[in-house]
Amino acid sequence: ELKVEQNPLFLSMQEGKNYTIYCNYSTTSDRLYWYRQDPGKSLESLFVLLSNGAVKQEGRLMASLDTKARLSTLHITAAVHDLSATYFCAVDLGFQTSGSRLTFGEGTQLTVNP
Amino acid sequence: KAGVTQTPRYLIKTRGQQVTLSCSPISGHRSVSWYQQTPGQGLQFLFEYFSETQRNKGNFPGRFSGRQFSNSRSEMNVSTLELGDSALYLCASSLTVDTEAFFGQGTRLTVV
Repeated sequence: ELKVEQNPLFLSMQEGKNYTIYCNYSTTSDRLYWYRQDPGKSLESLFVLLSNGAVKQEGRLMASLDTKARLSTLHITAAVHDLSATYFCAVDLGFQTSGSRLTFGEGTQLTVNP
Repeated sequence: KAGVTQTPRYLIKTRGQQVTLSCSPISGHRSVSWYQQTPGQGLQFLFEYFSETQRNKGNFPGRFSGRQFSNSRSEMNVSTLELGDSALYLCASSLTVDTEAFFGQGTRLTVV
């Protein structure tokens, strides 16, 4: 059974600081997504990582994927209050004929303080 | 380009009742998957449909069922509702079974 673990689960940081969220998973996959969720809202797609060594950047967020280590990271640079949200990684096993389409991590609740 | 549309957005039901939720995927998308989100269990996969066939199913009781129509629209049904079924139900669509999934706004179900 695929397990996806994120850490930390809660992150409180000051504006202007940098930090990294980690996503470890337990089975082979080269397809991983990062989503953002605001309270009471749905999931907003941030990054799609489709191969080993993939790196994507958008604004203050950068995501990477190491399929050999089964690890993805979401790096936050110079955090601002607007980044406060819950961030989920999700591993896609859609190419398999059984099991979950997307398996999500527990989520990292990020709070950026002024 | 219209996104994934879920209806209704909010629903309040009584224990023992049944409920049907609807999901209209992005035009041209043939895969629809459903997820349940609760504070205790997080985001859990319910089932996935592709070309009107259930492709796989998560670890949920038989009270949870779904179907997909020829136009790729999907419905999920929960019978004999329990308090623990209160959750945000999310639907996602994708072109095929191994392409990026896009989420709808969700249906917030409250069981009282």
